[in-house]
Amino acid sequence: GQSLEQPSEVTAVEGAIVQINCTYQTSGFYGLSWYQQHDGGAPTFLSYNGLDGLEETGRFSSFLSRSDSYGYLLLQELQMKDSASYFCAVPNNAGNMLTFGGGTRLMVKP
Amino acid sequence: KAGVTQTPRYLIKTRGQQVTLSCSPISGHRSVSWYQQTPGQGLQFLFEYFSETQRNKGNFPGRFSGRQFSNSRSEMNVSTLELGDSALYLCASSQDRADEAFFGQGTRLTVV
Repeated sequence: GQSLEQPSEVTAVEGAIVQINCTYQTSGFYGLSWYQQHDGGAPTFLSYNGLDGLEETGRFSSFLSRSDSYGYLLLQELQMKDSASYFCAVPNNAGNMLTFGGGTRLMVKP
Repeated sequence: KAGVTQTPRYLIKTRGQQVTLSCSPISGHRSVSWYQQTPGQGLQFLFEYFSETQRNKGNFPGRFSGRQFSNSRSEMNVSTLELGDSALYLCASSQDRADEAFFGQGTRLTVV
């Protein structure tokens, strides 16, 4: 089976940098994705790491270490609108389903 | 390009009834997946369809079923509703693999 662990809640100040960690235990590994979900909204795809290393997309970066079964999402120059839940997810080998972590609720304070 | 469209957005049903939810994927996407989101269980996979064929099914009772049409639109049905079926039902579409999935706004189902 697959299981992913994330912190349930993180708080940070506007303008700061925050890192949301995700550790996983999977029977096979085919990459790690990150999604953002605002209250009442749809999950929105942020990034996908298929290989080790850092992927950067604007203020957001995602890192993967397959040897450590670990990844993180890094959010820089935090803005109030970044307050949301963030989910890590892994696809199965066929790529036809995602298993999600429990989600990390990020609260950005002024 | 239009996103994933789910209808209806909100639904209130009584225990024992059945419900049908609809999802229109992004144009050109042939894979449609369904997820249930609840505060207690988080996001859980229900099933996935590709070109009208169910390729995968999650660990849900047989009361949960779905189908996909030739235009890739998908429906899911829940029969004999239980209070515990109250949840946000999300549909996601992708071209094939779910490495990058696009979600709809969801249908908020309340069973009373």
